[in-house]
Amino acid sequence: KAGVTQTPRYLIKTRGQQVTLSCSPISGHRSVSWYQQTPGQGLQFLFEYFSETQRNKGNFPGRFSGRQFSNSRSEMNVSTLELGDSALYLCASSLAVSGANTGELFFGEGSRLTVL
Amino acid sequence: AQSVAQPEDQVNVAEGNPLTVKCTYSVSGNPYLFWYVQYPNRGLQFLLKYITGDNLVKGSYGFEAEFNKSQTSFHLKKPSALVSDSALYFCAVRVLIKAAGNKLTFGGGTRVLVKP
Repeated sequence: KAGVTQTPRYLIKTRGQQVTLSCSPISGHRSVSWYQQTPGQGLQFLFEYFSETQRNKGNFPGRFSGRQFSNSRSEMNVSTLELGDSALYLCASSLAVSGANTGELFFGEGSRLTVL
Repeated sequence: AQSVAQPEDQVNVAEGNPLTVKCTYSVSGNPYLFWYVQYPNRGLQFLLKYITGDNLVKGSYGFEAEFNKSQTSFHLKKPSALVSDSALYFCAVRVLIKAAGNKLTFGGGTRVLVKP
């Protein structure tokens, strides 16, 4: 079955603009998480959604937001872009949120954002 | 709060030799431990996980990892490295509490270079 799909793969923006990234999880997966990867900070957790509800949030400013739709697809938005937002944004899906879930996350290829 | 340390930024090994990538963790409660690999300009690929049971876990592509509770370590190993194993390797931990959801805490990554 198809893996996690992220669009767009590459994009270039200028400071002050906003960007929306999209993620389609593996069919049947209801949990979607977002991570930011940079050379300096490594992999950092942004947020997680399950059944259209944000269940967990990392330590990022309010300019970073997200949502999940009824079909489990998710989007994240970054407003008022700064140079430091340049990063690879990774989306991951999983079958469940917690409880008995011991499963791994399945990652997409990422969206590489460059802010000029 | 949980944390993961990968003490080596880079590991160099000759093809055919054993490969070890080190990981130590700090967590309150029982840890769920994972190893992921990332090839250039790609997302993260799942290699293996430790949930409970046998301390030696076998995963994809001939990799294995040994969970050592007393040393809080989860080192990744491969008996005979291939040039194609050259990539960036991440260790990650999750705790099984509802508030944590699916959040993974990653180590800083270790770059593996296998020379022919």
